[in-house]
Amino acid sequence: AQKVTQAQTEISVVEKEDVTLDCVYETRDTTYYLFWYKQPPSGELVFLIRRNSFDEQNEISGRYSWNFQKSTSSFNFTITASQVVDSAVYFCALEPNNAGNMLTFGGGTRLMVKP
Amino acid sequence: DVKVTQSSRYLVKRTGEKVFLECVQDMDHENMFWYRQDPGLGLRLIYFSYDVKMKEKGDIPEGYSVSREKKERFSLILESASTNQTSMYLCASRPTRDRGNQPQHFGDGTRLSIL
Repeated sequence: AQKVTQAQTEISVVEKEDVTLDCVYETRDTTYYLFWYKQPPSGELVFLIRRNSFDEQNEISGRYSWNFQKSTSSFNFTITASQVVDSAVYFCALEPNNAGNMLTFGGGTRLMVKP
Repeated sequence: DVKVTQSSRYLVKRTGEKVFLECVQDMDHENMFWYRQDPGLGLRLIYFSYDVKMKEKGDIPEGYSVSREKKERFSLILESASTNQTSMYLCASRPTRDRGNQPQHFGDGTRLSIL
């Protein structure tokens, strides 16, 4: 069975602060994909990143960066110099390679960025 | 851009009613999914379909059924709505893995209230 844990249910920061959203996962599969999605107040889930379990390189995209550590089964997401528009619920998800198309989601972290 | 369209953003129904939630995608995707989202629980998979007339149970199929008569449309049916089915429902689609391992694309969600 798969499990994704996002221990932080809610985080509040002031604009321009850096913030890290934690994600820890459990799976017995050796090959899997990890995802982050953003859900703004409008409701639609927006895909942010997919990471293959074989690729442990960290990734940076503008103010967003992701730290994948297989040794600790973590895939953390950092927003640098946060902005009010970053306010949203963020979901981490896991898709084992042999699980067909099934994604397992974490409970989500609500990020509030105050001006 | 992939477009996943859910027929209603908000829906209010009464206990015992038969409820239909509709989802249409415009990218010829083989796979379609229905999730429900509840605070603290993230997204949980109800059903998914990997082709026309094909369906598979997800993690929480009880009280729901689905219909996929055409490739672009995937319907979620609450046979006899109950108050514990009040939730946010999200539809998603993706192509089969043979066409590249693309992430799931989500609709805006339907917030369903059962009174």
